[in-house]
Amino acid sequence: DVKVTQSSRYLVKRTGEKVFLECVQDMDHENMFWYRQDPGLGLRLIYFSYDVKMKEKGDIPEGYSVSREKKERFSLILESASTNQTSMYLCASSLDWGHSYEQYFGPGTRLTVT
Amino acid sequence: GDSVTQMEGPVTLSEEAFLTINCTYTATGYPSLFWYVQYPGEGLQLLLKATKADDKGSNKGFEATYRKETTSFHLEKGSVQVSDSAVYFCALIGNAGNMLTFGGGTRLMVKP
Repeated sequence: DVKVTQSSRYLVKRTGEKVFLECVQDMDHENMFWYRQDPGLGLRLIYFSYDVKMKEKGDIPEGYSVSREKKERFSLILESASTNQTSMYLCASSLDWGHSYEQYFGPGTRLTVT
Repeated sequence: GDSVTQMEGPVTLSEEAFLTINCTYTATGYPSLFWYVQYPGEGLQLLLKATKADDKGSNKGFEATYRKETTSFHLEKGSVQVSDSAVYFCALIGNAGNMLTFGGGTRLMVKP
C-alpha cells in the first residue's frame, strides 16, 4: 500500500511565523501535490512537483512556497503565516503523469493561525 | 475553466436507504470523471472512475454513470451502511491537462 504521511495532524501558529509542513511518500512516486481544503470549496491546488527540485504553481500559490530536495519528500512553506491561511492542508502523490488522476493522500494537517 | 458542482450536504440517511449524490461538471471536450471518498480522520482515496461517455464506474457497491448529454456523474448506492459515512468528492481531469478539479464535497451521515 502507498503511504503518504504528513508531519503533524494539528498545528497552531501565530501570525507572521514561518511554517513548514512536511510530506513523505514511500512508493517512489514522481508527482507530489499540496492542496488546501476549505468547507464548500473542495480542494484547491497550491503547488505540485513532477520531479526533484521541479515545481509548478497551482491555482492558489500566493503566500506559499515549496521545496522538493528528495523524491520522497515535499515541503510546503508559509513564509509569513496569516489568519486567512487557517485551513486543512492535504498532501498527495501519484505515480506519474499517466496516473495523475489516481492520487494518494495523506491524512492532512489542520493549521490554525492566530 | 473546468468546474465541478456537487449538491450541498450534509446528506443524512438511515441504514439501508438508497443514496444519490449529484454531481455536474463544466469542461471542454471529454473529461475523465472520478469520485473520491474521505473517511473521518483519513486522506482522500479514489472510489471509482469513468473515462468516456456512458461508462459506468463501480466499487464497494457504489456506482456512477458518465452522462455526456447532461454533463453529470451522480453517485449512487442501493443500500448504505453506517461505515459509508464520509465526505464524497466529485472530480474531473479535462482534456487540456493532468490536474484534478474537485467539487466542494458532500458529507454523508448514515444513522443506524
